[in-house]
Amino acid sequence: AQTVTQSQPEMSVQEAETVTLSCTYDTSESDYYLFWYKQPPSRQMILVIRQEAYKQQNATENRFSVNFQKAAKSFSLKISDSQLGDAAMYFCAYMGYNNNDMRFGAGTRLTVKP
Amino acid sequence: NAGVTQTPKFQVLKTGQSMTLQCAQDMNHNSMYWYRQDPGMGLRLIYYSASEGTTDKGEVPNGYNVSRLNKREFSLRLESAAPSQTSVYFCASSEGARGRQPQHFGDGTRLSIL
Repeated sequence: AQTVTQSQPEMSVQEAETVTLSCTYDTSESDYYLFWYKQPPSRQMILVIRQEAYKQQNATENRFSVNFQKAAKSFSLKISDSQLGDAAMYFCAYMGYNNNDMRFGAGTRLTVKP
Repeated sequence: NAGVTQTPKFQVLKTGQSMTLQCAQDMNHNSMYWYRQDPGMGLRLIYYSASEGTTDKGEVPNGYNVSRLNKREFSLRLESAAPSQTSVYFCASSEGARGRQPQHFGDGTRLSIL
């Protein structure tokens, strides 16, 4: 079964600085999707960014970008110019190309210091 | 602009009681999902419905049943609640199955079983 590992339970960053959250996954599939979700204290799950494994180009969404290393099975999230509103739990998730079972990591709690 | 609506938001049950969690989406999505989130863990898929009239088991289906009542509504039932089912439950929907379209989440239901 696919597993997703987030090795950093907690991270902190100074406002306006850059932070990188780590994620690794285990799979035998060649085609799949990877996601980063943000969960603020309100509990709502918000999609931050999505990467398709067959695309070599790293996905970007404004201040959020990923470093996708397929061979290393690594999918890190970089947040640039961190803002106080970025403080939340961040979950990395994996979904195989031909199934509906999205697997989540345990999450990284990000604190942003003013 | 409701998106995915879950009811109730909070519920306390006694062991052995039954309960149905309701979920409705107004985005005309074909696929719907039920997840549970336990402390210190990411979300785990309980059941999903790829399209109206179909349901399939996810990673942790034991102790649950689901009904896709129509395209809008997808309910989760606990027939005989157990303390191990204490969790936060999330419903999600997506335009299509698999990872091609992002999932949109409700705000969650916090369920405590005594």
